[in-house]
Amino acid sequence: QQQVKQSPQSLIVQKGGISIINCAYENTAFDYFPWYQQFPGKGPALLIAIRPDVSEKKEGRFTISFNKSAKQFSLHIMDSQPGDSATYFCAASMKTGANNLFFGTGTRLTVIP
Amino acid sequence: DAGITQSPRYKITETGRQVTLMCHQTWSHSYMFWYRQDLGHGLRLIYYSAAADITDKGEVPDGYVVSRSKTENFPLTLESATRSQTSVYFCASSESMPQETQYFGPGTRLLVL
Repeated sequence: QQQVKQSPQSLIVQKGGISIINCAYENTAFDYFPWYQQFPGKGPALLIAIRPDVSEKKEGRFTISFNKSAKQFSLHIMDSQPGDSATYFCAASMKTGANNLFFGTGTRLTVIP
Repeated sequence: DAGITQSPRYKITETGRQVTLMCHQTWSHSYMFWYRQDLGHGLRLIYYSAAADITDKGEVPDGYVVSRSKTENFPLTLESATRSQTSVYFCASSESMPQETQYFGPGTRLLVL
């Protein structure tokens, strides 16, 4: 059973456009929500992360929006660039118990010039 | 500054053979992880280790064995490889807890014939 559901599976955006990737979870014990970026042939790398005490976190062109009541969070990439073309994974974990990361299934983003 | 390395990068083996994937990190991070990445499943945790000689199961541990006699090394062994274990395997580490940034290695692509 997938603990974190991610959509869409793939996304094509024009250069300069906004890319939006959505994730949803059920376990209310989750309290840490990172996004990882993976380029072909490489391992994932942390892009940005949020905790549920804030509704939004912005780092440059990347923003996480978090809706605690809906148990959803999303990644927005503003002014998308061809260099942003990669696979993006959302994830979630909890502090207590097995505080491992549970990953979404990934979104392959293609930004066309 | 090598960071986290994995070997081999590519491996072809046959059903029933034992295979060991190596992972080495130079940061002295406490936590180390093994994930497998499959289309449609994202990244799934196989095993993790909180410190030398401390290991625990993740989501998909069946058919795998790990050990951690030294902080810097975390080998993953497939005792009797099966075709369903064809995957890309990633090792990761984090400094002191799983909710901190996890740093991923470059991956090992394993094909079981």
